[in-house]
Order: sequence, then structure tokens, then C-alpha cells
Amino acid sequence: AQKITQTQPGMFVQEKEAVTLDCTYDTSDQSYGLFWYKQPSSGEMIFLIYQGSYDEQNATEGRYSLNFQKARKSANLVISASQLGDSAMYFCAMREPRGDSSYKLIFGSGTRLLVRP
Amino acid sequence: DAMVIQNPRYQVTQFGKPVTLSCSQTLNHNVMYWYQQKSSQAPKLLFHYYDKDFNNEADTPDNFQSRRPNTSFCFLDIRSPGLGDAAMYLCATRTGSTDTQYFGPGTRLTVL
Repeated sequence: AQKITQTQPGMFVQEKEAVTLDCTYDTSDQSYGLFWYKQPSSGEMIFLIYQGSYDEQNATEGRYSLNFQKARKSANLVISASQLGDSAMYFCAMREPRGDSSYKLIFGSGTRLLVRP
Repeated sequence: DAMVIQNPRYQVTQFGKPVTLSCSQTLNHNVMYWYQQKSSQAPKLLFHYYDKDFNNEADTPDNFQSRRPNTSFCFLDIRSPGLGDAAMYLCATRTGSTDTQYFGPGTRLTVL
């Protein structure tokens, strides 16, 4: 069975500094996708970044980058130049293999990030 | 802007009184999902529609039902809400050809 593990329940970072949120995954599939979502206190889930298992380059989206280490089965999120608005819960997630109509997201337990001024 | 809309944002119901949550989307996505998220937990998939095909998760209680009358709308019906059903309910959509799910703002359900 697929599994996502986020070992950091909570983290602090100083404003303008970079922070890494850890995510490891377990799957026996060759084709898979990894996502990071941000959930502010308002509750909405905001898509941040996606990495496919066959993508050779690490994904980047603005201040977000995904440090994908396939052999180690890790997909850490790096946020550069943290802002106060980055304070939120962050979820790492994985999808089931493509082509399966019952595809769904499997989420980790989340990391709560607090940015200090 | 194209988006996923959930109404209402906050819903209060009484124990045992049926309640319906609504999700609509302007993205024209053919897949729609309903997730339940309890406090300090990760979202848990209840069911999803791939076009008109309904897919129920094995551990979703019978108390939870869903309807999708057209591409744009999907409803979550809770027939007899219990105190344990108090949670955030999240709707998400995606196209059948891509991987990313886009979420609505959620409906926070309180059961008294």
C-alpha cells in the first residue's frame, strides 16, 4: 500500500529565510505523482507544486521548489524567502498510478509552519 | 476566474437532521471528489465521480450519499448527521487527463 510520511508536526522559520519541509513516500509503483498543498487557517487547500516520477528535473514554482530524490523516496518542499503569509499547514500527497479511474490522493499527516517576523 | 465553489462555507445542523452540501465548478473538469477532514487530520476521500460514474470508498459510511446532476455540480448528502460527522468537507476537481486536483474553500459542518 502507498504511504506518505511527514515527520515534522510543526516548524518555525524566520521571515525571509528558507525552510525545508520533509516528505517521504512508499510505493511499489513505477509511475506516480507527488504533490504539495498549503492549507491556511481558512481551510482551503491550495495546490503548490507537482512532481511526476519520470520528471528528471526538480519541479519549481516561484518560491517553491521540490527536492525530489527518487532513490531515497523523498520529495521535500523548499520555500525560499519565507513570508508571514506562508504560515499554514502543508500537506504532501501522492496519487495512484495514472490510468486508474479510481485515482485518489493519499495525504501525509501535515506540517504546520509558522513564520516569525 | 474559473474556480471551485462550495456553499455554504459554514453549516450548522442538528443531530439526525439531514443536510446537503454543495459544490460547483467552472473548470469543466470531469472528475469531482468529496473529502472529509477532521480537526488536525489529513483529508480523507469519501467518494468521487468520473463523469457520471460514481466511485465509493470502501470505508465511507452509508450515511453519506452524493449526487452529480451535471458536469458543474456535485452534492454531498448526510442523511442523519452524528456528532462524529462534524468536520470540514472539501470538494475537489480535476480533468481526466491531468493529475492535479483543485480544491474549493470547503464547508465547515457543525453538528449540535
